[in-house]
Amino acid sequence: GQQLNQSPQSMFIQEGEDVSMNCTSSSIFNTWLWYKQDPGEGPVLLIALYKAGELTSNGRLTAQFGITRKDSFLNISASIPSDVGIYFCAGISGYALNFGKGTSLLVTP
Amino acid sequence: GAVVSQHPSWVICKSGTSVKIECRSLDFQATTMFWYRQFPKQSLMLMATSNEGSKATYEQGVEKDKFLINHASLTLSTLTVTSAHPEDSSFYICSAPLEWGSGGYGYTFGSGTRLTVV
Repeated sequence: GQQLNQSPQSMFIQEGEDVSMNCTSSSIFNTWLWYKQDPGEGPVLLIALYKAGELTSNGRLTAQFGITRKDSFLNISASIPSDVGIYFCAGISGYALNFGKGTSLLVTP
Repeated sequence: GAVVSQHPSWVICKSGTSVKIECRSLDFQATTMFWYRQFPKQSLMLMATSNEGSKATYEQGVEKDKFLINHASLTLSTLTVTSAHPEDSSFYICSAPLEWGSGGYGYTFGSGTRLTVV
């Protein structure tokens, strides 16, 4: 599969701050997914987006499916220490799941 | 919710031996299972796609004879790393496509297997 461009690669923030990360692709996707992976664990789905322009929230998390279908962003508001982990975007085209390289988030109390 | 149970969570084996990793879909049927490999601080790399009752499809550069995949039932897919070497040490994760009642779909992942070959 193709690799998505995910940025930033890492973030080091203080508790309470908002976080934003995004993914771009040269190809169109039908679905965008955002996952969080804790060390030694498999990825866990946070948000799924199915329509261009769709904006979806899950608690303190908000994600949007770009109008062009080639990008998506994830925002985390009022970060807390348990938000620490690696966040991956993933785009689905056909049956294939294509991953970004991940954003490593560190949150200090 | 639908869960993929992966076992073992970690394994240490001697060079030259084989290791089997199992992924079971709990409370749903997985006709397809994807196997990924992940190196430290890197993204997931798709190794192969297993299909129930037929041969697996391997990604370019993945050795079929080294990474044997079996998907004999709708709820079980296995990955066997044969004649393991230290360079096979990695984190292996399985994933199954899933549709949920609201009309959405996505992929659910196992908890991963940390393989260390010594």
